Amino acid sequence: QVQLVESGGGVVQPGRSLRLSCAASRFIFSTNAMNWVRQAPGEGLEWVAVISKDGSNTYYADSVKGRFTISRDNSKNTLYLQMNGLRAEDTAMYYCARGAHGNSAAYFDYWGQGTLVTVSS
Amino acid sequence: SVLTQSPSASATPGQRVTISCSGSSSNIGTNYVFWYQQLPGAAPKLLIYNSDRRRSGVPDRFSGSKSGTSASLAISGLRSEDGADYYCAAWDDSLSGWVFGGGTKLTVL
Repeated sequence: QVQLVESGGGVVQPGRSLRLSCAASRFIFSTNAMNWVRQAPGEGLEWVAVISKDGSNTYYADSVKGRFTISRDNSKNTLYLQMNGLRAEDTAMYYCARGAHGNSAAYFDYWGQGTLVTVSS
Repeated sequence: SVLTQSPSASATPGQRVTISCSGSSSNIGTNYVFWYQQLPGAAPKLLIYNSDRRRSGVPDRFSGSKSGTSASLAISGLRSEDGADYYCAAWDDSLSGWVFGGGTKLTVL
């Protein structure tokens, strides 16, 4: 069974940075696109970013464009989300979600359990 | 949210309930729709892909359909464990990104 384990969440002050990681296992990581999806407390799901299987294509939600960077290391089976200039409205559970195939428009077929990011002074 | 869902729905065990999702020509109108179930305190799980295909292991009580710029998820023979939040999603060609509905909270009375 596909396994996705997020880490790196925590409490951070507004304006600071944080890097999330997602360790993938039990599938060939380099064959699938990968996404970050977030969910603010008590709210719905919001897609954040996607990266294609080889990292050549990335897309971002307008709400994070220019502040967040998605990347991957296929040799380490790990997905990352570098978050800069954090704002209170970035407070959310951040889920790593696997794309069902290699290109950026692949739907999410497996999700991790999430890592909580709280932006507060 | 770019996709529109009713915030809540309710029904009694054994009944059929339909959850709708409305979008536009740049998302549902030209791309597949996907449905996710999120049980309380858990991560979302894929139920329906490519608008009407049930994921392996999902009971055939769950079905999806799409027409024009709208889609729907139907659950028949409702069971107590179906009480959850349900989200629709689609790729949006104008935004070059994924869009979700706001979610529908299903209560099994």
